[in-house]
Amino acid sequence: DAGVIQSPRHEVTEMGQEVTLRCKPISGHDYLFWYRQTMMRGLELLIYFNNNVPIDDSGMPEDRFSAKMPNASFSTLKIQPSEPRDSAVYFCASSLGGGRTTGDTQYFGPGTRLTVL
Amino acid sequence: SQQGEEDPQALSIQEGENATMNCSYKTSINNLQWYRQNSGRGLVHLILIRSNEREKHSGRLRVTLDTSKKSSSLLITASRAADTASYFCATASTSGTYKYIFGTGTRLKVLA
Repeated sequence: DAGVIQSPRHEVTEMGQEVTLRCKPISGHDYLFWYRQTMMRGLELLIYFNNNVPIDDSGMPEDRFSAKMPNASFSTLKIQPSEPRDSAVYFCASSLGGGRTTGDTQYFGPGTRLTVL
Repeated sequence: SQQGEEDPQALSIQEGENATMNCSYKTSINNLQWYRQNSGRGLVHLILIRSNEREKHSGRLRVTLDTSKKSSSLLITASRAADTASYFCATASTSGTYKYIFGTGTRLKVLA
């Protein structure tokens, strides 16, 4: 398996533009997570899906952020309009879904480094 | 607020020495995981310890968990330059939606 695939790896855009980040999870994984990492705030969970259904989006910072998972092999994170403070590395991760008791190993993608000018 | 807080924030040691990192968390958990992140890369899972376990080993890694103190430690023995990375703990609370919250991380530098 190729692991979690994210695209693009780098994105530079201007304030106000729409940004779409893409993620392909590992085949067979039931959970998909979107994280944002900055020096100031560390690694923050934005949203996660279970079987393509959004379960917890309490980490999504504002209405400018939206995420979808139209099928088991694809998810998008969209920022519209983008702002300089959105500059960060965005990670997608997937897991098999061991549940609270068993625990899950999350497999992270390489991340998308977003710069909003 | 974040579930896990690692300490120290940064650690610099010589190759061959042991490195110890600590993680403290705030609520009851089912399990705790440690991840490593090399510069410019995604996180990689190292080890998982369940709330009913006190110690776990994997190669040169040793993890302990003290649920009464709400803390965990990660020990890397005989460190190598390749261990240079940031290390994060992640915890899943026993309540609320099932999700992992990552700590602030410890930046480890192993000098050759």
